[in-house]
Amino acid sequence: DIQMTQSPSTLSASVGDRVTITCRASQSIRSWLAWYQQKPGKAPKLLIYKASSLESGVPSRFSGSGSGTEFTLTISSLQPDDSATYYCQQYNSYLWTFGQGTKVEIK
Amino acid sequence: EVQLVESGGGLVQPGGSLRLSCAASGFTFSSYWMHWVRQVPGKGLVWVSRINSDGSGTTYADSVKGRFTISRDNAKNTLYLQMNSLRAEDTAVYYCARDRYNSGDDLPIDYWGQGTLVTVSS
Repeated sequence: DIQMTQSPSTLSASVGDRVTITCRASQSIRSWLAWYQQKPGKAPKLLIYKASSLESGVPSRFSGSGSGTEFTLTISSLQPDDSATYYCQQYNSYLWTFGQGTKVEIK
Repeated sequence: EVQLVESGGGLVQPGGSLRLSCAASGFTFSSYWMHWVRQVPGKGLVWVSRINSDGSGTTYADSVKGRFTISRDNAKNTLYLQMNSLRAEDTAVYYCARDRYNSGDDLPIDYWGQGTLVTVSS
């Protein structure tokens, strides 16, 4: 199975800060990577797909980049509503796998 | 409006069985592959299983292979997950989700249900 490793596990930042989350794959997944946002008690919400494509309706402050084994999710200007846990997910291999999550807290 | 509504969760003893259902509406269910994804409360997301659009092809995570069976009834617009030989580590919220990637799109999952909690405990 392809292992997905996110860093950091938790981050605390202020409103307006630029925030970056990294996701590393144990082998190349080309660009088949998605990012989800999940708030407590809710289902995940798709933010980014194919590494850098913004899902319809998602604010433009969210962006994704990378290919191969290293990927990043960037929030250009952190907003209070962005407090959540973020997961990467690879869908290159037959068995899909998620990262362990990054919890973003607002200072 | 696309809706996925899971049901069937609850408390079950170790070694027991449970069948989850996911009622789909607002789209042509028979055209889409579907998934089950689970999440231990407070922990991360774990992909469990997928089924193709006509039910002829299934895939499972190693952790559930041989114990869980995914199926669907396209006439009833319903996805199922039969869970046998349940273990404490199967305790989780189980989500059903719609696959877009295997419909030829570039995104993996676009819609999720609200989840149903399965608790395996004596």
